[in-house]
Amino acid sequence: NAGVMQNPRHLVRRRGQEARLRCSPMKGHSHVYWYRQLPEEGLKFMVYLQKENIIDESGMPKERFSAEFPKEGPSILRIQQVVRGDSAAYFCASSLGGGMNTEAFFGQGTRLTVV
Amino acid sequence: AQRVTQPEKLLSVFKGAPVELKCNYSYSGSPELFWYVQYSRQRLQLLLRHISRESIKGFTADLNKGETSFHLKKPFAQEEDSAMYYCALGLSYSGAGSYQLTFGKGTKLSVIP
Repeated sequence: NAGVMQNPRHLVRRRGQEARLRCSPMKGHSHVYWYRQLPEEGLKFMVYLQKENIIDESGMPKERFSAEFPKEGPSILRIQQVVRGDSAAYFCASSLGGGMNTEAFFGQGTRLTVV
Repeated sequence: AQRVTQPEKLLSVFKGAPVELKCNYSYSGSPELFWYVQYSRQRLQLLLRHISRESIKGFTADLNKGETSFHLKKPFAQEEDSAMYYCALGLSYSGAGSYQLTFGKGTKLSVIP
């Protein structure tokens, strides 16, 4: 089991472009979480998804950000019309179940740089 | 709102010395607390959780509800303990069926040979 895979590891975008971040959860995991880490900050919750459903998007900015976890394929975090403030490390985690009794396993993150 | 505070950005100790990484939280309910570790160029991984009450790699952490703290301790630091350590608070929102982790900003532990 290769663990949670995120790609790309590094992504550079110009202001106004779109960024697509991918996350393949661990085999058998149907729960995916996205976190964002701004420089000098801790990880901040963005969104929690299960297959084909958004369970909690309370941490997502209201505009330009969206996430999906289709029936087949990886989870995608999409940022439209990126701005410099979107530069951060984006981490994905997956778990077998939801809630406090299951461990979340993290990917290595995608570092987004907006120039 | 819930919050996790790690007051030290950087902690340097000599090999063999005791280590204590501080973590305080604010939350009105019953918290679930974790320590995560990130070694150089590796992914974030769970080190321990308070409900397990176990010792991992010689580290322990006790939840002190009176002081709202969950400090991470190790009696004798090793060079391989050098890493970023994050304290996190887990919250379930049963109504929404959601679960979130709230992280502190992290403490970089540097063990000097």
